[in-house]
Amino acid sequence: EIVLTQSPGTLSLSPGEAAALSCRASQTISSNYLAWYRQEPGQSPRLLIYDTSKRASGVPDRFTGSGSGTDFTLTISRLEPEDFAVYFCSHYDDSLGLTFGGGTKVDI
Amino acid sequence: QVQLQESGPGLVKPSETLSLTCTVSGGSISRYYWGWIRQSPGKGLEWLGFNHYSGTSNYNPSLKSRVTISVDTAKNQVSLKLRSVTAADTAVYYCAGDGGFGCWYYYWGQGALVTVSS
Repeated sequence: EIVLTQSPGTLSLSPGEAAALSCRASQTISSNYLAWYRQEPGQSPRLLIYDTSKRASGVPDRFTGSGSGTDFTLTISRLEPEDFAVYFCSHYDDSLGLTFGGGTKVDI
Repeated sequence: QVQLQESGPGLVKPSETLSLTCTVSGGSISRYYWGWIRQSPGKGLEWLGFNHYSGTSNYNPSLKSRVTISVDTAKNQVSLKLRSVTAADTAVYYCAGDGGFGCWYYYWGQGALVTVSS
């Protein structure tokens, strides 16, 4: 079983600041299947990043994904009001399926 | 623009089967991989599985014995059946789709809350 651990659990920041969210895998994983989502309150998740570093269609360039091996990061360069939300990382494995991290909440 | 709409009973009795339908509009259902993801109140996300009209599918190992996901190209619908439900299956169930072989999901429905209770 691959466990994705996201940290910190909560990140308290202000609009305009930068944020770095961590997603750590319990074992080395393929960068090809690492994705990030943002879930605003009361809404469905939105795909931000796939393949570790590729932005999904329509995603602003203030979102950057990076990492390899067991350590992956989502960086938000300048927080906008809609960025105060919960972020999930996910990884797909043919044998284990799709696993999500526990989430990081970015709040003001 | 692809849009997804989940529908089905909001209340299911313990030991019965949870059945949800996702109606796909604005795009060809055969083009994408279709998954179901659920979220218990105040909790994280749990993937149930995916299916593709070609028959390619995969399921969460912990739920595999209870889950079936089907794709109906004639009706442009994706269905979920979860058998022998308990209170632990109470959650918001999301239908989601993408061309990324089920590895991530770009299109999401608004979610359907299903409560398991007698």
